[in-house]
Amino acid sequence: DTGVSQNPRHKITKRGQNVTFRCDPISEHNRLYWYRQTLGQGPEFLTYFQNEAQLEKSRLLSDRFSAERPKGSFSTLEIQRTEQGDSAMYLCASLWGSPNTGELFFGEGSRLTVL
Amino acid sequence: AQTVTQSQPEMSVQEAETVTLSCTYDTSESNYYLFWYKQPPSRQMILVIRQEAYKQQNATENRFSVNFQKAAKSFSLKISDSQLGDTAMYFCAFSYNNNDMRFGAGTRLTVKP
Repeated sequence: DTGVSQNPRHKITKRGQNVTFRCDPISEHNRLYWYRQTLGQGPEFLTYFQNEAQLEKSRLLSDRFSAERPKGSFSTLEIQRTEQGDSAMYLCASLWGSPNTGELFFGEGSRLTVL
Repeated sequence: AQTVTQSQPEMSVQEAETVTLSCTYDTSESNYYLFWYKQPPSRQMILVIRQEAYKQQNATENRFSVNFQKAAKSFSLKISDSQLGDTAMYFCAFSYNNNDMRFGAGTRLTVKP
């Protein structure tokens, strides 16, 4: 296992199109997180899963955003009807246990550019 | 609201010297955890060091140490004997509810040869 994998690494799309990002966490990790990072800012929490259950969603996650983690393995983050303000790096992270005691392992991110 | 503030957008240090990155946070919680993460250019973030709020002793990891001032809600990172490979964005982070983690805006550190 080489770590958290995210695909695609870079996506360029036109406004109004739908995009989907995939995250493959470290296999034994039960928690999976999605963050959004814009230039010059730190990661902003979007949502997280414990196994297949989505336990928390940020207010940043509008109704155009949906995330799934079927079977508690990989996760997808879909953005419908993209807007230019959605342009950002989308980071996935996974860990075993909890953020307090575990270590978040991050992927390299999926950069979205909306034209 | 739980917030994390890093007031130094950019810093630089000469190789082999010591640098301190600042972080303050705001919380009403009594039990929480603080972290410093490093994000090298074009690479993924990695954990540098962790501090439990109930521990008075400052955490250390080799050349990295923290100065945790709970009353002041301050959590600074000291990097000793800076190396070129320490060049990165450094993010202070806070976990308070055992669920999500909040990050500061980051400090871009450049180590100069």
